[in-house]
Amino acid sequence: QVQLQESGPGLVKPSQTLSLTCSVSGGSISSATYYWTWIRQPAGRGLEWVGHMYTSGSTKYNPSLKTRVTMSIDTSKNQFSLKLSSVTAADTAIYYCARAPRGDSEKLDYWGQGTQVTVSS
Amino acid sequence: QSVLTQPPSASGTPGQRVTISCSGSSSNIGSNYVYWYQQVPGTAPKLLIYRNNQRPSGVPDRFSGSQSGTSASLAISGLRSEDEADYYCAAWDDSLSASVVFGGGTKLTVL
Repeated sequence: QVQLQESGPGLVKPSQTLSLTCSVSGGSISSATYYWTWIRQPAGRGLEWVGHMYTSGSTKYNPSLKTRVTMSIDTSKNQFSLKLSSVTAADTAIYYCARAPRGDSEKLDYWGQGTQVTVSS
Repeated sequence: QSVLTQPPSASGTPGQRVTISCSGSSSNIGSNYVYWYQQVPGTAPKLLIYRNNQRPSGVPDRFSGSQSGTSASLAISGLRSEDEADYYCAAWDDSLSASVVFGGGTKLTVL
């Protein structure tokens, strides 16, 4: 059974960079058949797709975040990561990592439990 | 403002059939598959329907999806108290800013 677990600081200061990691167990992140995805959800609001990356390193980001987002993958640790720069209070949200089959990027079949990130001084 | 439009709320009594709509455009629902997610408050979303009308293993056949033109619907028959949750539709959007887009979510209340 595949499991995903987010980790990272729960509090980030405005203008700084948010950094999160998703650890994958029960399957290899090196598999060429999945997109590794980040989704976020502000309190009381809907879901927002942040972006995804493929094992090869290719990425696709939400256009509204594209200039501030960087995703990377560490196959040796079976982890993938998200960096969001120049954060503001609007970036306060629960951040989820998830997996989607290649060719079906909307089919998020496994999710992490989510981690709350608050942007505040 | 979400790219896909859902009603903010829906309700029904146990045993009833309810439907939740999702409206989009030619660049998303009109040309790509629709996906549905169920989110019980305080938990991560769960995939409910994929590729318009396919159910992952373990999802009861009380849940069904359909798509027509630029709109889609999720139907829940034999409503149960545990179906009370938020429901989100999603699709790929082929516009210049190609990405996955979600609806704003519909809160389903079982009366």
